[in-house]
Amino acid sequence: DIQTTQSPSSLSASVGDRVTITCQASQGIRNYFSWYQQKPGKAPKLLIYETSNLETGVPSRFSGSGSGTDFTFTISSLQPEDIATYYCQQYENLPFFGGGTKVEIK
Amino acid sequence: EVQLVQSGAEVKKPGESLKISCKGSGYTFTTYWIAWVRQMPGKGLEWMGIIYPGDSDARYSPSFQGQVTISADKSISTAYLQWSSLKASDTAMYYCARSRRAYSSGRDGLDIWGQGTMVTVSS
Repeated sequence: DIQTTQSPSSLSASVGDRVTITCQASQGIRNYFSWYQQKPGKAPKLLIYETSNLETGVPSRFSGSGSGTDFTFTISSLQPEDIATYYCQQYENLPFFGGGTKVEIK
Repeated sequence: EVQLVQSGAEVKKPGESLKISCKGSGYTFTTYWIAWVRQMPGKGLEWMGIIYPGDSDARYSPSFQGQVTISADKSISTAYLQWSSLKASDTAMYYCARSRRAYSSGRDGLDIWGQGTMVTVSS
């Protein structure tokens, strides 16, 4: 199985800051990688699929990149409504979620 | 509107059986994979398994193989997650979610999510 290690587990940033979250896969994968946002008490929401493709309706301040074992999720300018926990997921073979990153406003 | 609607919260005792449901609407249910995802209280997401309702091809995470059964009834556009003997450690929120593309291999993001079913197992 391909595990994913996500970091950091939490971060605090100011409104307008650039925020970056990383995930490392235990072995090289193709572009079968997604990012999700989960707000408290809500179901997760797909933001990015196939590493870098923005889901319909998702603001362009969210982006994804990466290849091989290293993948990155970026919020270019943090907004108050972005407070949430973010998860990466690989689906090269049996899907596996990263441990999550809780994003808070400083 | 494309949606997945899950059955309501359950409170069960250890050793009891349970089957929760996830009904799809607004799309061709048989052509998209349905995944089940567990979230224990205060914890992260865990992928449990997936089913293709068109032919009931089901695959499981090794962590959940033998612990749960995933099934589907395409005649009523409903997927199921069931336990034969619940444990206290099964207490969690369970989500169903749809694969992003029709006719995919199952290797896909999950674009539509149910509202979740809270399962509480306590004596």
